[in-house]
Amino acid sequence: QKEVEQDPGPLSVPEGAIVSLNCTYSNSAFQYFMWYRQYSRKGPELLMYTYSSGNKEDGRFTAQVDKSSKYISLFIRDSQPSDSATYLCAMSSVETAASKLTFGTGTRLQVTL
Amino acid sequence: GAGVSQSPRYKVTKRGQDVALRCDPISGHVSLYWYRQALGQGPEFLTYFNYEAQQDKSGLPNDRFSAERPEGSISTLTIQRTEQRDSAMYRCASSSTGGIEGYEQYFGPGTRLTVT
Repeated sequence: QKEVEQDPGPLSVPEGAIVSLNCTYSNSAFQYFMWYRQYSRKGPELLMYTYSSGNKEDGRFTAQVDKSSKYISLFIRDSQPSDSATYLCAMSSVETAASKLTFGTGTRLQVTL
Repeated sequence: GAGVSQSPRYKVTKRGQDVALRCDPISGHVSLYWYRQALGQGPEFLTYFNYEAQQDKSGLPNDRFSAERPEGSISTLTIQRTEQRDSAMYRCASSSTGGIEGYEQYFGPGTRLTVT
């Protein structure tokens, strides 16, 4: 079993929809949680970062962490065609101080007009 | 300023040959990371450096893989006696300070390695 599980999709939604992307994990030592966005043929770029549990909002993006359930989510409001990309969750423990990231497989999102 | 650069962007090599992949991090970034990304998968950690010191190499698959960063800037990932299973995208990332204060890792475009 992988340490981080993520539905690979693809997920197709119409423009303006609310998108929910999720990851589950098994390593209770994970304390740092991140979401990266990766466009085709590009390297991942950081979208959101959350430490421990709770919510964080940045514009149209909201990240949630539920450590009791070992479950993290990324919500995208008012989705745009430019949001079409692969979304990767990534996690790290205190021990590695966010230096060693464990990624999910990524969920491919397609936002259609 | 310039982002992380990697060279070559594409490398095709025959099984058994050695390859060297280069990463040029963002200027001034202390930490440098190597990942391997298979098609349809997320990046898989290989190793990382703070300055010239290799801090963690637990992700290197076997002793055919090695990395160095002799002057704390450019890094080279070397794969000896390549095998077909080594074919993947190799990505480099750098961060400003390392650790949680420099948690944001900036990724390069990657080197696509194909072993025939």
